[in-house]
Amino acid sequence: TQLLEQSPQFLSIQEGENLTVYCNSSSVFSSLQWYRQEPGEGPVLLVTVVTGGEVKKLKRLTFQFGDARKDSSLHITAAQPGDTGLYLCAGLDSWGKLQFGAGTQVVVTP
Amino acid sequence: EPEVTQTPSHQVTQMGQEVILRCVPISNHLYFYWYRQILGQKVEFLVSFYNNEISEKSEIFDDQFSVERPDGSNFTLKIRSTKLEDSAMYFCASSEWVGTGGYEQYFGPGTRLTVT
Repeated sequence: TQLLEQSPQFLSIQEGENLTVYCNSSSVFSSLQWYRQEPGEGPVLLVTVVTGGEVKKLKRLTFQFGDARKDSSLHITAAQPGDTGLYLCAGLDSWGKLQFGAGTQVVVTP
Repeated sequence: EPEVTQTPSHQVTQMGQEVILRCVPISNHLYFYWYRQILGQKVEFLVSFYNNEISEKSEIFDDQFSVERPDGSNFTLKIRSTKLEDSAMYFCASSEWVGTGGYEQYFGPGTRLTVT
């Protein structure tokens, strides 16, 4: 089983600050997907990164896939209270199933 | 925007009873999945399904579980004889082949299964 470790587990910051969430594995994934999950709801896909070294931007969110396709990061610039949520990374293996990390709970206070 | 739907949103059942969880995947998607999330734990893969057969299943997906696509739109997960430890959120997901690099999987809102 390929394991994904997310860090930190919990992050509390003030509105306007920047934050970075990390997702690390010892295994290579064919792609990596970032989701956001609200309590009692399903994960909502934010982005997929496929190529080693790839960087994707979604408004104030920047996603990076490591050169070796084993790790990824999510950076939020000038965080807002609406960014509060559980951020999950999930690696796609060769057989098409997702291995999820445990998630990083982000809390942005006004 | 197309979305995956699931019914019911919450199911309460007694231990030993059979339950069927239903999903309607996104209409042009060809790959279907079930995942589950026990309260406070990671989302875990259960099974993937393509071309009317199981592609892969996890160790969790034992003989008590089965999946079916009874018609052109629904995808179901059946648990034959529920156990207390089956209590969890069950998520259905679907994807279409998105070229080299793999599939983007879209999740439904989940069914909360409570076994008493």
